[in-house]
Amino acid sequence: GAGVSQSPSNKVTEKGKDVELRCDPISGHTALYWYRQSLGQGLEFLIYFQGNSAPDKSGLPSDRFSAERTGGSVSTLTIQRTQQEDSAVYLCASSLNGDTEAFFGQGTRLTVV
Amino acid sequence: AQSVTQLDSQVPVFEEAPVELRCNYSSSVSVYLFWYVQYPNQGLQLLLKYLSGSTLVKGINGFEAEFNKSQTSFHLRKPSVHISDTAEYFCAVRGAQKLVFGQGTRLTINP
Repeated sequence: GAGVSQSPSNKVTEKGKDVELRCDPISGHTALYWYRQSLGQGLEFLIYFQGNSAPDKSGLPSDRFSAERTGGSVSTLTIQRTQQEDSAVYLCASSLNGDTEAFFGQGTRLTVV
Repeated sequence: AQSVTQLDSQVPVFEEAPVELRCNYSSSVSVYLFWYVQYPNQGLQLLLKYLSGSTLVKGINGFEAEFNKSQTSFHLRKPSVHISDTAEYFCAVRGAQKLVFGQGTRLTINP
């Protein structure tokens, strides 16, 4: 596609519910990143996929967070039993091979009420 | 593992004044360095990048940055800022693995 696409753009959910956030990277990009940006904060690394290698999950804040990337393309970030502190903008980015610049989607704004 | 430190969380400057946003990194391997900009209510976009070659790199909107390996720095500069440069600026480093970002510097331009 023309750019990184994320859906939904906004998500309001009740505390305790599970949510799934989707990312469609740029076609042909082998690297995919998820970040979290809280109000007034920087970008917190969550997870990194590179080709067929095992993902780097070192940034996932708890075992309620998980992500997968199917067929080396679309990725889904799942948050189980959401908490209010999970409220943030979740950003996805893709890169041609992990060594070049990353292109960002517009993000999903998650609000847990 | 690599890390990035942006030394200033906020930088206020007057319009048409020069500006420097500071970034220091740590990494045990060779790095690629990036500056991204996030305008109000918009997504992140690449401002400039250093992959190899000349240590002075030029980006969009008149910005430039210099890679200094001995000081492990990649400071961003612009000789004369405009109101439209008001944004959050993020420095990022790509070392052995993932792309890591600093905490960001909020640049505010006063008329």
